[in-house]
Amino acid sequence: AQKITQTQPGMFVQEKEAVTLDCTYDTSDPSYGLFWYKQPSSGEMIFLIYQGSYDQQNATEGRYSLNFQKARKSANLVISASQLGDSAMYFCATSRGTGNQFYFGTGTSLTVIP
Amino acid sequence: KAGVTQTPRYLIKTRGQQVTLSCSPISGHRSVSWYQQTPGQGLQFLFEYFSETQRNKGNFPGRFSGRQFSNSRSEMNVSTLELGDSALYLCASSLQGNYNSPLHFGNGTRLTVT
Repeated sequence: AQKITQTQPGMFVQEKEAVTLDCTYDTSDPSYGLFWYKQPSSGEMIFLIYQGSYDQQNATEGRYSLNFQKARKSANLVISASQLGDSAMYFCATSRGTGNQFYFGTGTSLTVIP
Repeated sequence: KAGVTQTPRYLIKTRGQQVTLSCSPISGHRSVSWYQQTPGQGLQFLFEYFSETQRNKGNFPGRFSGRQFSNSRSEMNVSTLELGDSALYLCASSLQGNYNSPLHFGNGTRLTVT
C-alpha cells in the first residue's frame, strides 16, 4: 500500500504571506497521481491541485503550486498571498496506477492570522 | 454542472440497526468511491465502483457494502451498526476513474451511532 506523510499537524501564517505545507509519499507504482485537498470546517473536501508522476513541470492553479521532487518523493503545497478563507485542513493524497483508489495523509491544519 | 450530492446529510442510528447512504455523482462521471473519515483513523478508502462493477475494496468488514446503478448513482449500506461506525462518510466521483483523475467529493453524510 502507498503511504502519505504530513509532518505538520498545525501551521500558522500571516495574511498575505506565503506558506508551504509538507507532504512525502512512498509508492512502488511507476504511475501515480499526487493531489491536494482543502477541507474547511464545514466538511466538504475541495480539490485544489494535481501533479502526475510523469509531469516534468510543477503544477500551478492560481495561488496554489505544487513543489514536486520525485527523487525525494515529496509533493509540497505552496499557497501564495494567504487569505483568511484559506484557514482549513489540507490533505495530501496519492492515487495508485490501477483503478482510482486514493491514499490520504493525516492532514495539516492551517490558520491564517489577520 | 451540479456537484456530487449525498443524502442524507445527517443520520442518527442505534447500535445494531442498518443504514443506507446515497450518492449521485457529477453528470458523466462513471467512477464513484466511498471514504470514511474519523478523527482517529483519518480518511480511509471503503470501495470504488466503475460502470456498476466494484473495482477496489478497502480493509473494512463485510458489514460495509455498496453498489452502483446503471445511471452511476451509488449506495452504501452498513449493517449491524457499531458505535465505531460513527463517522463522516464521503462519496466522490471522478470522470475517468484512473490514477490521474481527481476525486470530486460531496458534502458527506455524518452518521452517529448511539
